[in-house]
Amino acid sequence: SAVISQKPSRDICQRGTSLTIQCQVDSQVTMMFWYRQQPGQSLTLIATANQGSEATYESGFVIDKFPISRPNLTFSTLTVSNMSPEDSSIYLCSVEVSGGYTFGSGTRLTVV
Amino acid sequence: AQSVAQPEDQVNVAEGNPLTVKCTYSVSGNPYLFWYVQYPNRGLQFLLKYITGDNLVKGSYGFEAEFNKSQTSFHLKKPSALVSDSALYFCAMYSGGGADGLTFGKGTHLIIQP
Repeated sequence: SAVISQKPSRDICQRGTSLTIQCQVDSQVTMMFWYRQQPGQSLTLIATANQGSEATYESGFVIDKFPISRPNLTFSTLTVSNMSPEDSSIYLCSVEVSGGYTFGSGTRLTVV
Repeated sequence: AQSVAQPEDQVNVAEGNPLTVKCTYSVSGNPYLFWYVQYPNRGLQFLLKYITGDNLVKGSYGFEAEFNKSQTSFHLKKPSALVSDSALYFCAMYSGGGADGLTFGKGTHLIIQP
């Protein structure tokens, strides 16, 4: 299975600022996924990122708030823009390889 | 719409006893089903998956799950629980149809009492 390096592991940010989360995979993958896990909640898919095309966002998530880059087959970034305390969550990236899904260790974001 | 249900917020089991964490799903086609475990301050760890074939799937750490199409269930089981099994368990589903990710259940806290 693929190994994912996600950073930062945690951050505390001021409201109104933006944070970019990076996800590096040790192999080339077609699809990368970004999830949000709000406190005490399950994981919700934010968007699917394919290399060379615009990310596909799920209902309730928009590109202006969560811009995503996918410059190559091993790397992606998710930016949480104009943050508010409601954005405090764990953000996880994930990849699909041969029918299995591997997750990064997550970024724990606290907005104050 | 597709969905995954974990009806129990918490399951308490004595160490050494068998454990079951329940999961049911709703989807129009044939799903791929997964179980993940999340320890505090750590990411999701894969336990097992069902795609096709034998309905009984064996996974990591002695866990297994049985796919039951008629009951649309995929319950996680282990014959003898360990205190170290205490964690948050998620059932998830991939329903196909393109570039979709996983749909997750709300999670079940498993507490193994010594």
